[in-house]
Parts: sequence; structure tokens; C-alpha cells
Amino acid sequence: DQQVKQNSPSLSVQEGRISILNCDYTNSMFDYFLWYKKYPAEGPTFLISISSIKDKNEDGRFTVFLNKSAKHLSLHIVPSQPGDSAVYFCAASMKTSGTYKYIFGTGTRLKVLA
Amino acid sequence: NAGVTQTPKFRVLKTGQSMTLLCAQDMNHEYMYWYRQDPGMGLRLIHYSVGEGTTAKGEVPDGYNVSRLKKQNFLLGLESAAPSQTSVYFCASCRANLAKNIQYFGAGTRLSVL
Repeated sequence: DQQVKQNSPSLSVQEGRISILNCDYTNSMFDYFLWYKKYPAEGPTFLISISSIKDKNEDGRFTVFLNKSAKHLSLHIVPSQPGDSAVYFCAASMKTSGTYKYIFGTGTRLKVLA
Repeated sequence: NAGVTQTPKFRVLKTGQSMTLLCAQDMNHEYMYWYRQDPGMGLRLIHYSVGEGTTAKGEVPDGYNVSRLKKQNFLLGLESAAPSQTSVYFCASCRANLAKNIQYFGAGTRLSVL
């Protein structure tokens, strides 16, 4: 049972436009949500995060929005650049057995067209 | 600035063979994790460690063993490889046990079991 879902496997966006990547979750006990970016042949790297008590967090071109009632979060990239082309993973953290663990979505491959 | 280093990067095994994947981090992190990534699935937690000399099972531990004899190293062992263990394996580390903690990932090990 996938607790964190990214229903769009891929997304193509023109350079300069907005990219919106979506993530849905089922467990209301998640404390924090994080976005990671992954280039081919590399490991995921942290991009931005948001606490479950917030509804927005912004860092430069990247903004994450959280809608707790809908159990939905989204990552906005404005403006999109070709270097943003990567796979984006949504992750959620929850404490179980005294330790925080992280549940990852399946990823969305973003392609920014020049 | 090495961060998290995984060895080897690629490996092909025959069914029944054994091997050990090595993860080394130079950030003095307490927590270390092994994940596997398969097509259409998010990163799934195999085993994790909350400190030197400790290990615990994650979501998909069957068929794997781990050891953390030194704080900087986390080893993942396959005693008798099976084709179902064909995957990309990622090691990660983080500093502390917090919901918002950022995980730092290695570049991955691509394993094929024939």
C-alpha cells in the first residue's frame, strides 16, 4: 500500500514556464515532507521541505505547498530551467519504533525543454 | 568533499552467489540507511542503523543482512542472491533523529542477478 503517491510519472515544460509536481499521501501522522531531486547516475539530493504545520515554504525558484485537508502537496518551480530536468521524489517522515523513517513516492521525471 | 560513497557502482551476480555492498560516509552521521529502488516504486527501506553497533529492519529486509561495526561504514550483504534482488541500491545517512532531517545519498549500486 503506497502511502506516498506521485501519480504523474513524467512532465514536460517549456523553459521559463512553471513546473508543478504533485504528491498525495494517505497517512495523517506524517510530520514533515521533503522533496529530493535525482540526476541520472547520481543519488537523490535534498531540494526543499515543509513541516506538516505549515502550508507553504519558499526557497528561491522553488515553492512547496501543503494542503493537509486534501493530503496533497505540490512543488512549484518558477521559472523552469533546462538544468531542472531530473527525477523528483516526494518523501514523508514519520516516527515509528522511536526512529524517524522516510516514505518515498515513485518519482516524477521532469523534462524542461529549451 | 566525499559525502556518502558506495562501492561497487555496478555488479552482476549469478543466482545463489553472495556479495557485500559497502557504504562509507565522512560526515560523522549517526544514522545510516539502505534503500532499494525498483521501476514504478519509490525508494524502499531495507535496513537502517541508529548508531555504531546497531541495526534494525526496514520495510523489505528479507534476503539481506547488515552490519555497522564502524560509525562511518554500513555494509549490506546478500548471502544467496535471487533475481528478485535485481535493483538499484542507495545508501543514505543523516545527522540526527528528526522529522525534518535531510538524508544524504550515495550514487547508488546497480545490481543484476541472473
